[in-house]
Amino acid sequence: GAGVSQSPRYKVAKRGQDVALRCDPISGHVSLFWYQQALGQGPEFLTYFQNEAQLDKSGLPSDRFFAERPEGSVSTLKIQRTQQEDSAVYLCASSSKGRTRGTEAFFGQGTRLTVV
Amino acid sequence: SQQGEEDPQALSIQEGENATMNCSYKTSINNLQWYRQNSGRGLVHLILIRSNEREKHSGRLRVTLDTSKKSSSLLITASRAADTASYFCATDYNTNAGKSTFGDGTTLTVKP
Repeated sequence: GAGVSQSPRYKVAKRGQDVALRCDPISGHVSLFWYQQALGQGPEFLTYFQNEAQLDKSGLPSDRFFAERPEGSVSTLKIQRTQQEDSAVYLCASSSKGRTRGTEAFFGQGTRLTVV
Repeated sequence: SQQGEEDPQALSIQEGENATMNCSYKTSINNLQWYRQNSGRGLVHLILIRSNEREKHSGRLRVTLDTSKKSSSLLITASRAADTASYFCATDYNTNAGKSTFGDGTTLTVKP
């Protein structure tokens, strides 16, 4: 596709429910990032993949959060036993190179998760 | 806490005026990027400036970087109503190869 695609766009989950958020990066992009954006704040880093390798998961807030990118393209962010504080927009971004030199990241529209 | 902090938090101007937003950060960086986010949408990359650069231009956008003061500014000239959005700076540290660290943004309103 032309850009980074995320699905679903909106998700309402009952507290305690598990959710899975999908990201389709731009074809051929090596790097993939997940960010969490609370209302009125900037995105906060969750995790980073280079191809299928998860190189940094230091931003995942708890062990209820899990991300994978098994074939180095599509990625899934899974949140188990959702809590109200998990309500946020989850943004996925991809870039064409590894990040050691800094390259432009292309963001998807995000998934707005509301936990009720 | 966020690495970058934008100033001001909110800015309201008339169409045709210039808008200046500032970003300060705390530790050494590889590069700094500016993004725009329209309400309810994803982030759009505007400009990347590397730590050895002092100024970059792109159309009506001008970005400066002062590494001695650990600050950057984004200037939008001849603003338009369509420039209304939130603007974020994002820093890439020396010490990590992956993530960008975002500030909380400046909300710009351009009145027609």
